[in-house]
Amino acid sequence: EVQVVDSGGDLVQPGGSLRLSCAASGYTFSSYDMNWVRQAPGKGLEWVSFISRSSSTIYYADSVKGRFTISRDNARNSVYLQMNSLRAEDTAVYYCARVGSAIDYWGQGTLVTVSS
Amino acid sequence: DIQMTQSPSSLSASVGDSVTITCRASQGISSWLAWYQQKPEKAPKSLIYAASSLQSGVPSRFSGSGSGTDFTLTISSLQPEDFATYYCQQYNSYPWTFGQGTKVEIK
Repeated sequence: EVQVVDSGGDLVQPGGSLRLSCAASGYTFSSYDMNWVRQAPGKGLEWVSFISRSSSTIYYADSVKGRFTISRDNARNSVYLQMNSLRAEDTAVYYCARVGSAIDYWGQGTLVTVSS
Repeated sequence: DIQMTQSPSSLSASVGDSVTITCRASQGISSWLAWYQQKPEKAPKSLIYAASSLQSGVPSRFSGSGSGTDFTLTISSLQPEDFATYYCQQYNSYPWTFGQGTKVEIK
């Protein structure tokens, strides 16, 4: 069974940093691209970042470019999102998502709250 | 960036009704269109990819159609578990973009 489990969300002050993790199981992790998608409280879905299966291709939304870094460790079946210079508008539930036929599996989400 | 516009933003329907949600892309995206269902406080669930193909395990009462810029999601014979918010999303090019969502409520 495919499982994607997000973790690492927390309360952090503006300007602070946080690292999210996503652990995948039940499939050959290195064969799939991955994304992070977020959802601010009461709002819709917003794509954040993409990483290809070999890490050779990476994309970011303009709203996080230069502040967030996506990475993956295929040996550990994990993908990460390093978030620096956090702002109040980064407050959201962050979902890790597998790219199969479009997004086919989602993590359960992890809440990041940026507030003083 | 490609803008995705859904209509309506919300609708009320009864169990057994057929409902249709529309999604329009600001430029042609061929069939690179997906639909997701989200219930309150839950992660989204993937329903449809390539505009009309059902993800594994999705009931056949869900169907999608369209290509280019205009797409629809139809739920035939609405079931109690179908009351949720639905999002379309283009994956023709990055940045991937989502519609604003359509909330399907019980009448």
